[in-house]
Amino acid sequence: NAGVTQTPKFQVLKTGQSMTLQCAQDMNHNSMYWYRQDPGMGLRLIYYSASEGTTDKGEVPNGYNVSRLNKREFSLRLESAAPSQTSVYFCASTPSPGVGTQYFGPGTRLLVL
Amino acid sequence: AQKITQTQPGMFVQEKEAVTLDCTYDTSDPSYGLFWYKQPSSGEMIFLIYQGSYDQQNATEGRYSLNFQKARKSANLVISASQLGDSAMYFCAMRDLETQGGSEKLVFGKGTKLTVNP
Repeated sequence: NAGVTQTPKFQVLKTGQSMTLQCAQDMNHNSMYWYRQDPGMGLRLIYYSASEGTTDKGEVPNGYNVSRLNKREFSLRLESAAPSQTSVYFCASTPSPGVGTQYFGPGTRLLVL
Repeated sequence: AQKITQTQPGMFVQEKEAVTLDCTYDTSDPSYGLFWYKQPSSGEMIFLIYQGSYDQQNATEGRYSLNFQKARKSANLVISASQLGDSAMYFCAMRDLETQGGSEKLVFGKGTKLTVNP
């Protein structure tokens, strides 16, 4: 049982390049989330998807877009990367809102030069 | 808006001793949930313990217990019999449940770095 998987594990981009971070869960969870973690900070919510077919902005959505491809997959896209987006990105899922804990993926470390 | 405060950037404890990591929260919602996560140097987020606002008893999970003082809005994590493997960042988080939107968000504190000395 893989849980929540993320690809890639590490990526280096140049300013202005685009990329998509992939996330998949095999736990049949309804809700999925994207967070970023900066040094000295806790995790901050970028976007979330309460259920398949819905997405909403979190605390820090600027510069990002998301797609809930199906129930399993939730991708995060950087259209034009900026150095301020250098961070560690975590994907998480939960069975349903208010139920249990959020399960986190291993994270993607992104460096924008 | 909900807020989580962790006032201890770093803590040190001797192996086999107990340690308390502080967490205070601010919310106007009567129903909420509080979580503690561990983040070792490898980077993954590991769920440790959960406390619901209506739970009558403090949550416990093995060596972890949550000292929940609702009136003081605190949810401190107590680790008993510390082990070297407990050295990590620890994050307190609060569940923000949006009943209308049908989703939940976690609001995190900035974390406490725990170092266990042999």
